[in-house]
Amino acid sequence: EVQLVESGGGLVQPGRSLRLSCAASGITFDDYAMHWVRQAPGKGLEWVSGISWNSGNIGYADSVKGRFTISRDNAKNSLYLQMNSLRPEDTALYYCAKDTGPGGGDCSLDYWGQGTLVTVSS
Amino acid sequence: QSALTQPASVSGSPGQSITISCTGTSSDVGGYNYVSWYQQHPGKAPKLMIYDVIKRPSGVPDRFSGSRSANTASLTISGLQAEDEADYYCCSYAGSYTWVFGGGTKLTVL
Repeated sequence: EVQLVESGGGLVQPGRSLRLSCAASGITFDDYAMHWVRQAPGKGLEWVSGISWNSGNIGYADSVKGRFTISRDNAKNSLYLQMNSLRPEDTALYYCAKDTGPGGGDCSLDYWGQGTLVTVSS
Repeated sequence: QSALTQPASVSGSPGQSITISCTGTSSDVGGYNYVSWYQQHPGKAPKLMIYDVIKRPSGVPDRFSGSRSANTASLTISGLQAEDEADYYCCSYAGSYTWVFGGGTKLTVL
């Protein structure tokens, strides 16, 4: 059974940092690209960042570019999102999602975690 | 990276067919065969329903189908059922290893 378990969310003040983690099981982790997608309370989905199987390709939404850094450790079957200079508008449920392929070309995310909530507020 | 445009809401009666549109540009929806659709029930994670414009993952009923014309993709649900009531999101590759979602459409089954 495929499982993606996010952790690291919480309440943080504006301007501070937070690191999210996603632990994967039930898959050959380094066969797939991975993504972070967020959803603000009562709002729609927003793609945040993606990383190919070997970290050779990485992309960010304009809204987080320069502040967030995605990374992965294939030996630990884990995906990460380092979030710096957090803003109130970053408040959202952050999902980790598995791509159907290694490169991540299409937006086909077939497994999702349950999300970790990040709240940015003073 | 502007969000793709979807209608805020659509509705239909059981057994009917509905279509949800997703409008982008030639830099995303119209430029790549990489449009997907997700279903999200309240409090749940999204579920992949259509990928590569027209393909259905295994386990997704064939009542769900995708299409595209120019810069607008569409999701059609035929034989509407009560359990289809949910939010639906389109997603497209937007070049340079980036993706963009639509704003979402709330489907109500009357």
